[in-house]
Amino acid sequence: AQSVTQLGSHVSVSEGALVLLRCNYSSSVPPYLFWYVQYPNQGLQLLLKYTTGATLVKGINGFEAEFKKSETSFHLTKPSAHMSDAAEYFCAVSDSGGYQKVTFGIGTKLQVIP
Amino acid sequence: DAGVTQSPTHLIKTRGQQVTLRCSPKSGHDTVSWYQQALGQGPQFIFQYYEEEERQRGNFPDRFSGHQFPNYSSELNVNALLLGDSALYLCASSYSDRDNSPLHFGNGTRLTVT
Repeated sequence: AQSVTQLGSHVSVSEGALVLLRCNYSSSVPPYLFWYVQYPNQGLQLLLKYTTGATLVKGINGFEAEFKKSETSFHLTKPSAHMSDAAEYFCAVSDSGGYQKVTFGIGTKLQVIP
Repeated sequence: DAGVTQSPTHLIKTRGQQVTLRCSPKSGHDTVSWYQQALGQGPQFIFQYYEEEERQRGNFPDRFSGHQFPNYSSELNVNALLLGDSALYLCASSYSDRDNSPLHFGNGTRLTVT
């Protein structure tokens, strides 16, 4: 069975500060990992994905994440937070991309303070 | 290019009633997955449809059923509604022939059971 654990249900950062959202995964097979963002009253939008190859993945809106197999982690970062980054972020794991069942974490709500 | 569309956007039902939610996948996608997102939680996988058949199912009772039509659109049916079924129901589509195909989500249907 696969699972993800997101550390911190709420994270607050100042505008311009580093954003770090933590995610650890559990998987019995090489995982596919994703970060999604959800704005109020909307569906989820893909930020970035890791399948194979380069462990540092760049996504949209300046976000990136690094796959660390030894730490079973896939933390999401952005060098400088913008007010528009305020949203809920979900880490997710699958054993084969979107083809099979995707398991989501509980989510981390990011607040950006002006 | 139309993304994933869901209808209705909001729905209020009474305990014991039945409800049908609808989803049209993104153009070119042939696989539809349904997720339930309770307030403050991450999306939970209900089931996935491909070639008009249920291919995978999450831990949901038989009251939850679905259908996929030849044009790849899908319906989610929930019978004998309970208060605990109140949630945002998300439809996501993907392309089966592409192993890395991520999920594309609609904006969801907000179901309230009173």
